[in-house]
Amino acid sequence: ETGVTQTPRHLVMGMTNKKSLKCEQHLGHNAMYWYKQSAKKPLELMFVYSLEERVENNSVPSRFSPECPNSSHLFLHLHTLQPEDSALYLCASSQEGGRGLGTEAFFGQGTRLTVV
Amino acid sequence: RKEVEQDPGPFNVPEGATVAFNCTYSNSASQSFFWYRQDCRKEPKLLMSVYSSGNEDGRFTAQLNRASQYISLLIRDSKLSDSATYLCVVNRMDSSYKLIFGSGTRLLVRP
Repeated sequence: ETGVTQTPRHLVMGMTNKKSLKCEQHLGHNAMYWYKQSAKKPLELMFVYSLEERVENNSVPSRFSPECPNSSHLFLHLHTLQPEDSALYLCASSQEGGRGLGTEAFFGQGTRLTVV
Repeated sequence: RKEVEQDPGPFNVPEGATVAFNCTYSNSASQSFFWYRQDCRKEPKLLMSVYSSGNEDGRFTAQLNRASQYISLLIRDSKLSDSATYLCVVNRMDSSYKLIFGSGTRLLVRP
């Protein structure tokens, strides 16, 4: 398997549920990202992990909780979500070269989340 | 001011036309620039990196103007399959590497 793989591809959950999104990259990259794309809105950067350490959290609500156990895996744990959290959640990876430099990002196919 | 700004379009052009998109960025220290393509309900995919000297890949040409802080994408001889949203991407220059996406420019190529 190559590239960036996300599971599940589709998820419907109630506001009281707890679920997790999974991302795995097979590119040997050292940085992974979660982006959110709502309908007719640009990609919003949610979390960045570089070398397994979280380096960015753009004031994302605490009902979203990321986890990066190693450089190849990234999770997004979801709990008590709201209907407005329905969106496409995209995972990406890239190679960070230090001092703010790096390569292009490669994306997974995304998880389309619907909160009911 | 947004970090990365694009005209949302849509640009509606006939097959064979030449079309150009511009994108402006706010951080003068940015070093990495890309154009991505996103088809409806799909993930973004890298179209091309943008180098200081400009670069060309077939029908696609990308240019960088650091003085004015904009990048451009030129598509020649448009094909129906070029219909998509084109995303301008710039890295945010701070202690770590983060790619910031513009809102995208939608292109519709008609027969």
